[in-house]
Amino acid sequence: AQSVTQPDIHITVSEGASLELRCNYSYGATPYLFWYVQSPGQGLQLLLKYFSGDTLVQGIKGFEAEFKRSQSSFNLRKPSVHWSDAAEYFCAVGKGAQKLVFGQGTRLTINP
Amino acid sequence: SAVISQKPSRDICQRGTSLTIQCQVDSQVTMMFWYRQQPGQSLTLIATANQGSEATYESGFVIDKFPISRPNLTFSTLTVSNMSPEDSSIYLCSVGDRGVGYEQYFGPGTRLTVT
Repeated sequence: AQSVTQPDIHITVSEGASLELRCNYSYGATPYLFWYVQSPGQGLQLLLKYFSGDTLVQGIKGFEAEFKRSQSSFNLRKPSVHWSDAAEYFCAVGKGAQKLVFGQGTRLTINP
Repeated sequence: SAVISQKPSRDICQRGTSLTIQCQVDSQVTMMFWYRQQPGQSLTLIATANQGSEATYESGFVIDKFPISRPNLTFSTLTVSNMSPEDSSIYLCSVGDRGVGYEQYFGPGTRLTVT
């Protein structure tokens, strides 16, 4: 069965520092991969997605993610975080009937 | 991307009652989904809302507890029936369309508290 693991429940970084959020998936074939962000009291916003092709994908708000098939990973990165990036981040995998399976989420705190 | 609205945005309900949540999309979409997000948890898919036919439920979710309607391509409702405190969650609808690459777009959610 599909599964998604986000090993880090909570990460704290300083404003201006770089960020990497980890995501590992389990699936029998190359899945569709997504990163979503959920700000407090809000719904989910799609940051970026990977379907095929270039394994480094660019998203909104300065985020990027790299698909590594050999490691079954799809880590999210940002070179310099802003206080407004504080939120919950979810990695998700989807295939077939468009069902999404979400990871447990990583809560990002930004220190001023 | 589609613009999705949900009503109500939040509600506090008594145990044993039912609440119907509405999801409205500003364009016709093929796929609509309902998710539950329990406090501090990730999202779990409840069901896929199929236009013109019964919803398809995921393991652990049943139609008697979470009846769903999908009368057209822009609207769906989810009812949480005979509520208990364990139903306190955020309920989110999402839409997807194969034409835009399988991603899903989410509504703002309905925050439900059952007392």
